[in-house]
Amino acid sequence: GAVVSQHPSRVICKSGTSVKIECRSLDFQATTMFWYRQFPKQSLMLMATSNEGSKATYEQGVEKDKFLINHASLTLSTLTVTSAHPEDSSFYICSAVTGDAVRTDTQYFGPGTRLTVL
Amino acid sequence: RKEVEQDPGPFNVPEGATVAFNCTYSNSASQSFFWYRQDCRKEPKLLMSVYSSGNEDGRFTAQLNRASQYISLLIRDSKLSDSATYLCVVNSGGYQKVTFGIGTKLQVIP
Repeated sequence: GAVVSQHPSRVICKSGTSVKIECRSLDFQATTMFWYRQFPKQSLMLMATSNEGSKATYEQGVEKDKFLINHASLTLSTLTVTSAHPEDSSFYICSAVTGDAVRTDTQYFGPGTRLTVL
Repeated sequence: RKEVEQDPGPFNVPEGATVAFNCTYSNSASQSFFWYRQDCRKEPKLLMSVYSSGNEDGRFTAQLNRASQYISLLIRDSKLSDSATYLCVVNSGGYQKVTFGIGTKLQVIP
């Protein structure tokens, strides 16, 4: 099956620093990747859609200058949380679609990155 | 009204029991539906798609009721390993229109 990895799995940083999270599709090419955020006891909330070679599409209320997304290749998307604050502490999950016409709705999720900002 | 609504539970059931969850959605134009399973502090994993005709995979049965705008998940003969949060996912058109429910927590008790 399609495998998506994320790195790091857990990061603790000081307020004001920037954190980069990588999302990789290991055995398939992903023209589209998604970034979600999940706060405790809440549902996954889509932050942005990342398209290879073009600018990301951000959901309403998500600051594009704070959450920088780069989709440089068909297997890698990065999310950089700039000037992180404690309220950015959350579980960040990426997902990717394989582009298989039969299962284009299926998203394959990375294992997630738990960010704690002190 | 939320786009996708689920009872967060928890549902505490004994091993071997049958348990059912419902999920309602507000957008009548929604096109596809899924159940995902999420273990604590882990990523969601696709459990099954939900088709208009309903579908079954072993102990799991999913149903779609378009008229009443809900989907259901039935788990028979519950196992301890079924303990997880079950997320209802609704796609109302394109990848950007995928909405996750808050999830229903299931705890299967020995």
